[in-house]
Amino acid sequence: EAGVTQFPSHSVIEKGQTVTLRCDPISGHDNLYWYRRVMGKEIKFLLHFVKESKQDESGMPNNRFLAERTGGTYSTLKVQPAELEDSGVYFCASSLTDRDNSYEQYFGPGTRLTVT
Amino acid sequence: DAKTTQPNSMESNEEEPVHLPCNHSTISGTDYIHWYRQLPSQGPEYVIHGLTSNVNNRMASLAIAEDRKSSTLILHRATLRDAAVYYCILREDSNYQLIWGAGTKLIIKP
Repeated sequence: EAGVTQFPSHSVIEKGQTVTLRCDPISGHDNLYWYRRVMGKEIKFLLHFVKESKQDESGMPNNRFLAERTGGTYSTLKVQPAELEDSGVYFCASSLTDRDNSYEQYFGPGTRLTVT
Repeated sequence: DAKTTQPNSMESNEEEPVHLPCNHSTISGTDYIHWYRQLPSQGPEYVIHGLTSNVNNRMASLAIAEDRKSSTLILHRATLRDAAVYYCILREDSNYQLIWGAGTKLIIKP
């Protein structure tokens, strides 16, 4: 079974440009999450989709970030315009909602974003 | 903010057991205790979770104190591949969000 995949693995853009990150969750996983780690800081939650609906977007830093999940399958995270402080590693994760309430999250390898 | 406290780093010898401690004195009755690890240049990986009872799986064991204010992740026989940052995370029953701390960097000596 394929794991969570993310594209691109690395992206280098200039301040003010737009970047779109893509995440393909494990097939059949209704839950999809975005997290990020900025330089020297801890991993932070950004948002959570259940199918195509945003369940919790409390971690989105500002309105320069837009996440979508078309048809409840893959998700995109767009940063427009990018700022220097957006540099970091963006992780996507997915999970089932299984009967024992574990909510085990499976993570992708991450996209390293560098804004110059 | 993270609700757990872990040592910054620990060292262990290869093929010996490793006990990674975690304090969570403010845990509520419905908080699950999750452990994830992150190997170098990879995304985080689920290790184990529990609520009240000790848990075992193919990767590790989780020992939870009777008052639930602390827990210990046990790797029964560490290998070099277990070198990673280990995160102890409390997750509220109705909330899918994982709140990460700094974790413990585990160094395995050959």
